[in-house]
Amino acid sequence: GEQVEQLPSILRVQEGSSASINCTYENSASNYFPWYKQEPGENPKLIIDIRSNMERKQTQGLIVLLDKKAKRFSLHITDTQPGDSAMYFCAASETNTNKVVFGTGTRLQVLP
Amino acid sequence: DAGVTQTPRHEVAEKGQTIILKCEPVSGHNDLFWYRQTKIQGLELLSYFRSKSLMEDGGAFKDRFKAEMLNSSFSTLKIQPTEPKDSAVYLCASSQDISQNTLYFGAGTRLSVL
Repeated sequence: GEQVEQLPSILRVQEGSSASINCTYENSASNYFPWYKQEPGENPKLIIDIRSNMERKQTQGLIVLLDKKAKRFSLHITDTQPGDSAMYFCAASETNTNKVVFGTGTRLQVLP
Repeated sequence: DAGVTQTPRHEVAEKGQTIILKCEPVSGHNDLFWYRQTKIQGLELLSYFRSKSLMEDGGAFKDRFKAEMLNSSFSTLKIQPTEPKDSAVYLCASSQDISQNTLYFGAGTRLSVL
């Protein structure tokens, strides 16, 4: 299978706290896992990605973790701000095919 | 550099009509994707082209959805005949090559089928 499951579908957090989004994938050949952020009225944009040769990657308040054995990866946003409110999509792909399959999305709301 | 350009931005169709959505990928990109975005299903892959060759024809979307890429700088997605359940945002995205997996999305076409 090629499905990517993403949870939760809606996530509300207080400003300053952390937010976590979890995804699982089926395709054992997947080796590239990007995360996209879509703000209201905008198109999705890549915010961070991780390849299968890594277990953790961090950039600008974002942390992604990858557990290849469990076929699970996650996005953690530390110290959330109102500007982090958006839709977030995880995705999985194989670099050989470049076919990108997305999760169903998480709507993050950062409450003041 | 221009990003991914999609036209029209909005389309209203009656049930049974034929509509054609257009996409121009980022210049030099070899991979082009069509996705449908709905609140319930999220981003569903409709079609995927690599160097103009159709790599993925969208499985469940095959019967009424047809994507074409006649040249490296232009793609169309035809929906024929349209049904109310086709109402969604249709996103086109392009990517450079195998080693550059970042997808660049267009602004999308919002389709409403009455």
